[in-house]
Amino acid sequence: DVKVTQSSRYLVKRTGEKVFLECVQDMDHENMFWYRQDPGLGLRLIYFSYDVKMKEKGDIPEGYSVSREKKERFSLILESASTNQTSMYLCASNGQGSSYEQYFGPGTRLTVT
Amino acid sequence: QKEVEQNSGPLSVPEGAIASLNCTYSDRGSQSFFWYRQYSGKSPELIMSIYSNGDKEDGRFTAQLNKASQYVSLLIRDSQPSDSATYLCAVNKDRSARQLTFGSGTQLTVLP
Repeated sequence: DVKVTQSSRYLVKRTGEKVFLECVQDMDHENMFWYRQDPGLGLRLIYFSYDVKMKEKGDIPEGYSVSREKKERFSLILESASTNQTSMYLCASNGQGSSYEQYFGPGTRLTVT
Repeated sequence: QKEVEQNSGPLSVPEGAIASLNCTYSDRGSQSFFWYRQYSGKSPELIMSIYSNGDKEDGRFTAQLNKASQYVSLLIRDSQPSDSATYLCAVNKDRSARQLTFGSGTQLTVLP
């Protein structure tokens, strides 16, 4: 079974703090994704990565950056957290090939106060 | 027009009935289609994938795809209260992209 883990289930940070969210997958997947999910707005793609050190902006990259130094690990960084970044953050991964099935981690509920 | 559209619901069905969830998509180049189930406070869980026209059955779930009409649906037979969740339709963005585009989800409630 695919296993995607995220570093925290719940996180509370203060405005202006630098926040790191980490995601690890154990299936040797090439592709990894960061989404945020908000009521009424659905899943929105922040960034994704096709390979180590490769990254592509998604639909809402502003205020975020990412890092992928190892194939299994994809980090989302909030450089200076703001209250409008309070959300559920979901990491997903999939492998090369035609199926594109994405598997999600358990999510991190981030609250910025 | 949204790339992937779903009826937001909420959809309520009695226990034992068939729940029908619908999804339309705008990109004719899409080739891969998925249904995810998401319980409140949890992450999406993949329950069905379909790649060719027609029906695909897996237990109580049947996915139906009609590429000509750009329409994909999910039927849940013998609905159970444990099926109460939000169901997300997802479509690969285009022929070359590894990304998925998600619908906003349909909230299903199965009434005991």
